[in-house]
Amino acid sequence: DADVTQTPRNRITKTGKRIMLECSQTKGHDRMYWYRQDPGLGLRLIYYSFDVKDINKGEISDGYSVSRQAQAKFSLSLESAIPNQTALYFCATSDTTTQYFGPGTRLTVL
Amino acid sequence: AQSVTQLGSHVSVSEGALVLLRCNYSSSVPPYLFWYVQYPNQGLQLLLKYTSAATLVKGINGFEAEFKKSETSFHLTKPSAHMRDAAEYFCAVSEGGTSYDKVIFGPGTSLSVIP
Repeated sequence: DADVTQTPRNRITKTGKRIMLECSQTKGHDRMYWYRQDPGLGLRLIYYSFDVKDINKGEISDGYSVSRQAQAKFSLSLESAIPNQTALYFCATSDTTTQYFGPGTRLTVL
Repeated sequence: AQSVTQLGSHVSVSEGALVLLRCNYSSSVPPYLFWYVQYPNQGLQLLLKYTSAATLVKGINGFEAEFKKSETSFHLTKPSAHMRDAAEYFCAVSEGGTSYDKVIFGPGTSLSVIP
């Protein structure tokens, strides 16, 4: 089984809709991250969490919110989706040495 | 501020040929440097990382990279390309060690391997 799972893997939604992307990990790590990937821009950090009670904004947090429901679960929400949030979203976890990525969620906002 | 440049958004090589993917960085402190690979429909996987020890770093799948401070470079190489090496490759820099909230990713280089 995968160490980091993301649901859904693909999602098409309409402008103005609320959407939640979910991430679960089985590695027992405290640290979790959400990134978005756009062609030609690499990955950019949206939010990160160092433990259940510690959540921090990343480089591009505007328009997004997160919830750390448990050590293993970290959800990303788009309260009112807009077309420029169309992207590939990755969740990741890390220990003190290595970062592990989920398979990604491809989100399209029409 | 730290940043990463990857020269060439797309690189094509023949199977068996040398792979060279270029990465230059800027950092105000001695950096940690990373190379990641992304296969189609998968997340990123760490290939190798430089953490201020040996300047020549060996990674998985036969890849290696050399840290050259004078050139602010961390180019990725593999002596002989294989079809399975076709993927997207990302260079990344961190001024915070392995505190991954401080990692900045480059834009990526897509590697094609021609039979």
